[in-house]
Amino acid sequence: EDQVTQSPEALRLQEGESSSLNCSYTVSGLRGLFWYRQDPGKGPEFLFTLYSAGEEKEKERLKATLTKKESFLHITAPKPEDSATYLCAVQGGSQGNLIFGKGTKLSVKP
Amino acid sequence: DGGITQSPKYLFRKEGQNVTLSCEQNLNHDAMYWYRQDPGQGLRLIYYSQIVNDFQKGDIAEGYSVSREKKESFPLTVTSAQKNPTAFYLCASSIEGPGDANTGELFFGEGSRLTVL
Repeated sequence: EDQVTQSPEALRLQEGESSSLNCSYTVSGLRGLFWYRQDPGKGPEFLFTLYSAGEEKEKERLKATLTKKESFLHITAPKPEDSATYLCAVQGGSQGNLIFGKGTKLSVKP
Repeated sequence: DGGITQSPKYLFRKEGQNVTLSCEQNLNHDAMYWYRQDPGQGLRLIYYSQIVNDFQKGDIAEGYSVSREKKESFPLTVTSAQKNPTAFYLCASSIEGPGDANTGELFFGEGSRLTVL
């Protein structure tokens, strides 16, 4: 069964304290792995797409990486405005619908 | 501004009532989706549509219905048959359908929060 597991469930950081969020997946025939950011009471906002192991994408303080079993979202020197829930999703299988993880809630304190 | 508009933002329903959530997009996207989000759970797909007048059930379609009469519009009806309808509902669109490449990039609306009294 296709599955996505994100860890930790919640992460509290001080401003400037770098860390990583994990997304482990099992899927038959990975077509792509996607990261989204979701602010409270809002819809998710697309961040990155990764297609193959070894691929990396960067956007400001965020960097996403991909291996054959997991993806990491690295946050370098985070700021309070980076506080949000980060969602990971994979696309694979015959239908190609996205399978979402439960998310990691990130809080960055000044 | 191009985007997806969901309405209403908040909705209260009495048990036994049907309610319809609106979703309109002006992105000229072919595919549209409805997801349900519950606390502590990942987004779950209710229905999706890749083309006008055609739609497919997702993982949790029971108790819901949709229509796609226009490319821009994909309303969701939560029927009285849905046992636990209280949730945050998200509408999304993508350039192409889920079977095509590069379709994991979804554009989401702001969501509609439904509460059953």
